[in-house]
Amino acid sequence: NAGVMQNPRHLVRRRGQEARLRCSPMKGHSHVYWYRQLPEEGLKFMVYLQKENIIDESGMPKERFSAEFPKEGPSILRIQQVVRGDSAAYFCASSPKTALSYEQYFGPGTRLTVT
Amino acid sequence: LAKTTQPISMDSYEGQEVNITCSHNNIATNDYITWYQQFPSQGPRFIIQGYKTKVTNEVASLFIPADRKSSTLSLPRVSLSDTAVYYCLVGGPRLMNRDDKIIFGKGTRLHILP
Repeated sequence: NAGVMQNPRHLVRRRGQEARLRCSPMKGHSHVYWYRQLPEEGLKFMVYLQKENIIDESGMPKERFSAEFPKEGPSILRIQQVVRGDSAAYFCASSPKTALSYEQYFGPGTRLTVT
Repeated sequence: LAKTTQPISMDSYEGQEVNITCSHNNIATNDYITWYQQFPSQGPRFIIQGYKTKVTNEVASLFIPADRKSSTLSLPRVSLSDTAVYYCLVGGPRLMNRDDKIIFGKGTRLHILP
């Protein structure tokens, strides 16, 4: 039973480029969460999605960031026109519960470096 | 959303039992207490969750007093590989569209010494 998959594990982008981060939840999980973690900091909640539905995006920056979880395929976190401050580890988590759940299963993360 | 307070760091030795306490004075009636472990360069790993009294699994025990204003994660006979950051979260199932957020604080950095 595969865990949460994220790819790529490492991503390097120049300022102004787009970054696409992918997350495949655990089998049977229909809820996905995205977090950002800066070095030596805790995780910051960004967005909570169900299939084809954004439940809570209150942690997402208003501009340049978007997320989706289509009916088929992985969840995508998209960052347009990246800046140096976007460099961080981005973690995806999934849960099987039908509402916001604190029992979540995390992927290995994508480390984004903006040069 | 209940705020949590936990020590910034702790040191212990291999083979010892380690107890990490988390304070959550304004915990709500339907809130659960959840602990995660995070190793460097990895995603957090769910350890244990409880509502009251005591919960035990193969990894840890969670002790919750009757007033639920604090909780203690107990790691029996730690090894070097238990060196990690441990996060305490308080909250629970919410209706969709509620304004609750999952907040990971800075956690407790546990350092196990040989």
